[in-house]
Amino acid sequence: GAVVSQHPSRVICKSGTSVKIECRSLDFQATTMFWYRQFPKKSLMLMATSNEGSKATYEQGVEKDKFLINHASLTLSTLTVTSAHPEDSSFYICSARQDISNQPQHFGDGTRLSIL
Amino acid sequence: DAKTTQPPSMDCAEGRAANLPCNHSTISGNEYVYWYRQIHSQGPQYIIHGLKNNETNEMASLIITEDRKSSTLILPHATLRDTAVYYCIVRVVGDYKLSFGAGTTVTVRA
Repeated sequence: GAVVSQHPSRVICKSGTSVKIECRSLDFQATTMFWYRQFPKKSLMLMATSNEGSKATYEQGVEKDKFLINHASLTLSTLTVTSAHPEDSSFYICSARQDISNQPQHFGDGTRLSIL
Repeated sequence: DAKTTQPPSMDCAEGRAANLPCNHSTISGNEYVYWYRQIHSQGPQYIIHGLKNNETNEMASLIITEDRKSSTLILPHATLRDTAVYYCIVRVVGDYKLSFGAGTTVTVRA
């Protein structure tokens, strides 16, 4: 149980393109999902908290107009990297937790984004 | 500001127990200790968590000292597939955000 699916696993696109990444909780409902970013040989950095039915909460220094988050249902959150540039190339990872007290977050397998 | 301190790397022998230490000397009474691991190019995998008592599941055991200022993750019989970066994270009860530090790179050798 507690499976989080992320799609696509890898995307390569041209500079200026907008890219959408999906995060789904397959066997549980998740009011809250989280989006992280990881550069090579670095640790995960939390970008934002995605809240079902309301606006996402962004961490300091993360541009909300650059990284659009939509959490339209209890099992799906999307991250759109708008007008992506090479410096946006990174490993993007989502996580979700069941809406039950004391349940851990479970992570997707990440999306490797490469902007040419 | 890091809430946990872990050694940057460890080598372990296949088949032996792997003991991974973590210091969290400023932990508060309402903070859990969580352990995750990340195998190369994958998302983190949840291992175990605890508040005060020692915990055990099918993957590992978590030993928390009585003063809660440090803990040890024990992998009872390490295999080559346990090679990963292991993260010890302190999380406030009710706040579900996780703050990842540098972790410990564990290499299991045959």
